[in-house]
This record gives sequence, C-alpha cells and structure tokens, in this order.
Amino acid sequence: SAVISQKPSRDICQRGTSLTIQCQVDSQVTMMFWYRQQPGQSLTLIATANQGSEATYESGFVIDKFPISRPNLTFSTLTVSNMSPEDSSIYLCSVEGDKGNTIYFGEGSWLTVV
Amino acid sequence: QKEVEQDPGPLSVPEGAIVSLNCTYSNSAFQYFMWYRQYSRKGPELLMYTYSSGNKEDGRFTAQVDKSSKYISLFIRDSQPSDSATYLCAMRSTSYGKLTFGQGTILTVHP
Repeated sequence: SAVISQKPSRDICQRGTSLTIQCQVDSQVTMMFWYRQQPGQSLTLIATANQGSEATYESGFVIDKFPISRPNLTFSTLTVSNMSPEDSSIYLCSVEGDKGNTIYFGEGSWLTVV
Repeated sequence: QKEVEQDPGPLSVPEGAIVSLNCTYSNSAFQYFMWYRQYSRKGPELLMYTYSSGNKEDGRFTAQVDKSSKYISLFIRDSQPSDSATYLCAMRSTSYGKLTFGQGTILTVHP
C-alpha cells in the first residue's frame, strides 16, 4: 500500500481565515481523493483531485470553498477557505491502490475553527 | 433513507468474544465492499476488501457479503483490547472511484 503523509496533522484556525492541507504520496498514483469527517460522523467525499485538470466536486461542495490542486501524481493540496466553526472536521487525503479496487487513507488533518 | 446503514453502537464486549459488525445498503449497484478500522484521531485503515457474495477470511477477521439481501458483515474472532476502534463499512459500484461509507460502529473490547 502507498504511504500517505498529510500536513498539518492538526491546527486551530480563526474564523474567516483559510488553511491549505498538503498530501504527499510515496509513489505515483492515478486517483487521489479528499474526504471530510465531521465530529462523530462518517466520511464524506469532497472531491476527486485530477492531475493536470480541475478537481471533480461532489454535490454540496464547491471550488470556491474547497480549492484543490494536483500538480503531479504524488502531491495534492486542499484549501478550506473562509472557515467557520462548521468546517471543524478531519480532512483526509486518500489514494487508489496500485492494483485498483482499494482506497488507502492518510492520517488526516484535524482542524478546529474558533 | 441513507444508502448505507450501520449501527453506530457503541458495542462493548469482553476479550475473547466473537464480534459481529453489520451494514445494510439500498443501492443494488454496489459491487465492491470494504471494511476499515479507525483508531481515535487516526485515518481509516483498510482491513478487508471483497467483491463477491460469500465469505473472505484473513486471520481473525471474516468478511461476509450477501448481495441478495444487501447485507454485509465483519466478524472478529478472539477479540483483543487492541481491536477497540471504530469500524466503518464502505462500498462502491465500480472498481474505481467514490466510496460510500456507513456511519461507523464504535467497538470496545475490555480485558
């Protein structure tokens, strides 16, 4: 399985600010995803990060709020913009396994907005 | 109605017990099924992956899929305190792409 590193692992952010989360994978992967896990809730897909093109967002998530970059096959960033307390969540980077049919997750970035 | 339903528990069992975790789903297009374990403040860790009806065993873990009933299970034999975690079922309709998760079941195995 791929080794996925996320930064920051946790942060406390002020309302109205933006934070960029980085995801680095130790091997080239075709598909990268960003999920959100709100407190006590399950995981919800935010978007698929596409290399060289705009991300594909799920219903309820928009590019202005969650801009995503994917400059190459090992790296992606997710920005949470103009944060409010409702954005307090764990944000998880995930990748498709090299044999397909499995998805692996990073350790997550725990954001608290105050 | 949610596409995937999972009893959130919490579930508390003594060490050595057999644990049964279950999910039901409504979307008959789901063909690929996974179980993840998530420790507190950690990312989900893939435990089991299967795509056919029947049983798949890996050590103390057995994943069971019944597509006709739209029901999947994860059994943990000889449960250990280190198994205490949240267990998430996940599924998707294609071999690549979006996963739909259950709510997660919080399991505690006490010595």
